[in-house]
Formats: sequence, C-alpha cells, structure tokens
Amino acid sequence: AQTVTQSQPEMSVQEAETVTLSCTYDTSENNYYLFWYKQPPSRQMILVIRQEAYKQQNATENRFSVNFQKAAKSFSLKISDSQLGDTAMYFCAFLEMNRDDKIIFGKGTRLHILP
Amino acid sequence: SQTIHQWPATLVQPVGSPLSLECTVEGTSNPNLYWYRQAAGRGLQLLFYSVGIGQISSEVPQNLSASRPQDRQFILSSKKLLLSDSGFYLCAWSAGAFYNEQFFGPGTRLTVL
Repeated sequence: AQTVTQSQPEMSVQEAETVTLSCTYDTSENNYYLFWYKQPPSRQMILVIRQEAYKQQNATENRFSVNFQKAAKSFSLKISDSQLGDTAMYFCAFLEMNRDDKIIFGKGTRLHILP
Repeated sequence: SQTIHQWPATLVQPVGSPLSLECTVEGTSNPNLYWYRQAAGRGLQLLFYSVGIGQISSEVPQNLSASRPQDRQFILSSKKLLLSDSGFYLCAWSAGAFYNEQFFGPGTRLTVL
C-alpha cells in the first residue's frame, strides 16, 4: 500500500531564512503525482506545488521549490526567503495514476515563521 | 469562477445525535467531490468521494454516510454520532480526474460531547 511520511511534526525558522520540509513515500508504481498543500490558520487548504513523476525537472512556484528524488522516493519542499504568511501546516500528498485515483496525505508538518 | 461552500462552520452535537453537513460547489459542472476528516495530530483522511450524482465511494468503514442528490451538492451524514467523530471536516472538488488540483472548502469544526 502507498504511504506518505513526513518525519518533521513541527519546525520553526526565522523570517527570511530558507526552510526545507521533508517527505518520503512508498510505492511500486512508476506513474504518479506528488503535491504539497498548505493549510494556514484559516484552515483553507491551498495547493502549493505539484510534481509529475515522469518529469525529471523539479517543480518551482516563486519562492517554493521541490527536490524530487524519484529513486529515493523523496519529495522535499524548500521555501526560500520565508515570510510570516508562510506559517501553516504543510501536507505532502501522493496520487497514483491509473488505479482508484485516491490521493494519500502525510500527517503534516507544522511550520512556524518567527519574526 | 468556482467557489465551494460548507456549512455550518462549527457544530457542537451530543453523542447519539444525527449529523448533516452540506457542501455545495458553484461555477463548474460534474465535479468530483470529496469529504475529508482531519483529526487532531493526524493528516487528512479521505472519507468519501463521488464522481457523479448518486455515485458514492466509501474509503473508511464507519458510522458516517454520504450522498450526492444533485450534481454540485455533497452531504455528509450520520444517524448517531460518536465521540470519535469529532474533528475538522473538509469538502473538496476537482475537475475530472483525481490528479487535477483539488479545491477545498472552508471546513466544518465538529465537536461531539
């Protein structure tokens, strides 16, 4: 069965610093998607970034980028120049293609950006 | 543009009472609809998903049920709530397949006493 593991329950960094959130997953399949979702205190879930497994190039969205290591089954999120508004719960998620298409979430990492 | 609504925002119910949470989507047709629960200290757990009217897939056996009476309406129900049903319930929609971005509603905080 597919699993998603986020080994850091909670992290704190100073504003303007760079922070990396780790995520590993387990699958025997080759075609899948990976996501990072952000859930700020408002609780609204927001998609931060998405990576297709067949793409070798790491996805980037402004200050957010991923380090996708397919062989290692690792999908870390890097936030550069962190801002106070980045304070949120971050969920890593996995979606396998061509089966029942269920998205699987990790347990989340609570990130605090300190002023 | 598309919007998703959930109500109520918060709910406090006694054990054994019924439950009905509603989710509606505007601005799109034939969306995939999802119900998630986020319990304290846990990630999101997919409870139900629906690819069309009257089509419900259950992911976790429990005392909850879901229904989709209309294309853009998704209802989460229970006949008798348990203490373990407390949590934050999120409704989401996506266009077409699961690998499209899911858009989440504002959520409902349910406390069962």
